[in-house]
Amino acid sequence: GAVVSQHPSRVICKSGTSVKIECRSLDFQATTMFWYRQFPKQSLMLMATSNEGSKATYEQGVEKDKFLINHASLTLSTLTVTSAHPEDSSFYICSAPSGQRSNQPQHFGDGTRLSIL
Amino acid sequence: KQEVTQIPAALSVPEGENLVLNCSFTDSAIYNLQWFRQDPGKGLTSLLLIQSSQREQTSGRLNASLDKSSGRSTLYIAASQPGDSATYLCAVGPNQAGTALIFGKGTTLSVSS
Repeated sequence: GAVVSQHPSRVICKSGTSVKIECRSLDFQATTMFWYRQFPKQSLMLMATSNEGSKATYEQGVEKDKFLINHASLTLSTLTVTSAHPEDSSFYICSAPSGQRSNQPQHFGDGTRLSIL
Repeated sequence: KQEVTQIPAALSVPEGENLVLNCSFTDSAIYNLQWFRQDPGKGLTSLLLIQSSQREQTSGRLNASLDKSSGRSTLYIAASQPGDSATYLCAVGPNQAGTALIFGKGTTLSVSS
């Protein structure tokens, strides 16, 4: 079945560091991928929509200059958290729809636990 | 704006019990609805997907129902096992394909042996 691979699974780094997270669709092409953030005991909240060949679409309140998204190919999207601070510590997870039909589910990566010291 | 609510937030049951998790959404114009399982510190595993034209889907001991007009879905777990302990998330797909899902906060299930 369709698989989404996310890397790295965990990052611990100092404040001010930039961190890149990769999201790959392994056996299907994804012109669109989604990036979510999840704080403890909270729901997944959409941060941005990554579009292959065009600029990402950010949700209200998400700083596009802080969370850089690059959809380099039909199977790869990257999220870079620039100059990360402790308040950016969270669980980041990507997803990709496996198709455009209503019976085709969205597939999620395993997530990245980001801890900024 | 679509909002998804899951009740209860947490549930503890002894092994072998049948249980129901509830999900409600405010806008009935949905494309589909997915139930996911999330283990602590892990990603999401898709359990069931119900299209807006469907009433229910079954997979093994899991059965999900959808009543779009009333904005409700339930996830029924039969003969619960300790391995079922996890957080269960309900997510609705808005009324077009390939768009981001809107999630509830989840129900954390604990099944004791």
